[in-house]
Amino acid sequence: EVQLLESGGGLVQPGGSLRLSCAGSGFSFSNFAMGWVRQAPGRGLEWVSVITASDSWRKYADFVKGRFSIARDNSENTLYLQMNSLRAEDTAVYYCVKDMIRNSGLLEIDFWGQGTLVTVSS
Amino acid sequence: DIQMTQSPSSLSASVGDRVTITCRASQDISNYLAWFQQKPGKAPKSLIYAASSLQSGVPSKFSGSRSGTDFTLTINSLQPDDFATYYCQQYSTYPITFGLGTRLEIK
Repeated sequence: EVQLLESGGGLVQPGGSLRLSCAGSGFSFSNFAMGWVRQAPGRGLEWVSVITASDSWRKYADFVKGRFSIARDNSENTLYLQMNSLRAEDTAVYYCVKDMIRNSGLLEIDFWGQGTLVTVSS
Repeated sequence: DIQMTQSPSSLSASVGDRVTITCRASQDISNYLAWFQQKPGKAPKSLIYAASSLQSGVPSKFSGSRSGTDFTLTINSLQPDDFATYYCQQYSTYPITFGLGTRLEIK
């Protein structure tokens, strides 16, 4: 059974940093691209970032470029999102998502984590 | 960026009804279209990929179709468990974009 378990969310002041983690299990983690999607309170879904299986490339939404960094450790089956210079508008539930197709990068999502809440407030 | 225009934004229906939700892409995305279901306080669940293929375990009451840049999610024989918010997503081109969602409510 595929499981994606996020952690690392919490309350942080504007300008602060936070690192999210997503532990994957039940599948061959190193063969699939992974990504992050967020959802602000009461709002819709918003794609944040993607990283390919072998970390050959990474992409970011414009609103996080230069502030957020995605990474993965295939030996630990873990995905990360380093978030710096956080703003109030980054407040959201952050979901870890898995690509369906091996060694793709389209982010054709088949599984979602349960999400971790990030609150940016003073 | 590719805009995904989803309609309606909300929909009231009764148990047993058939409903249709539409997403229009602002440019050609081929079949790179997915649908998700989200219940309050829960993570989204993947329903359909490649415009019309059902994810494993998703009942056949859900179906998807494409006509050009218009995509449709149809849900047959609504049951109480189907009342949720539905989102479309294009993954043809980065940045990946989602529709704003359709809230399906019980009449």
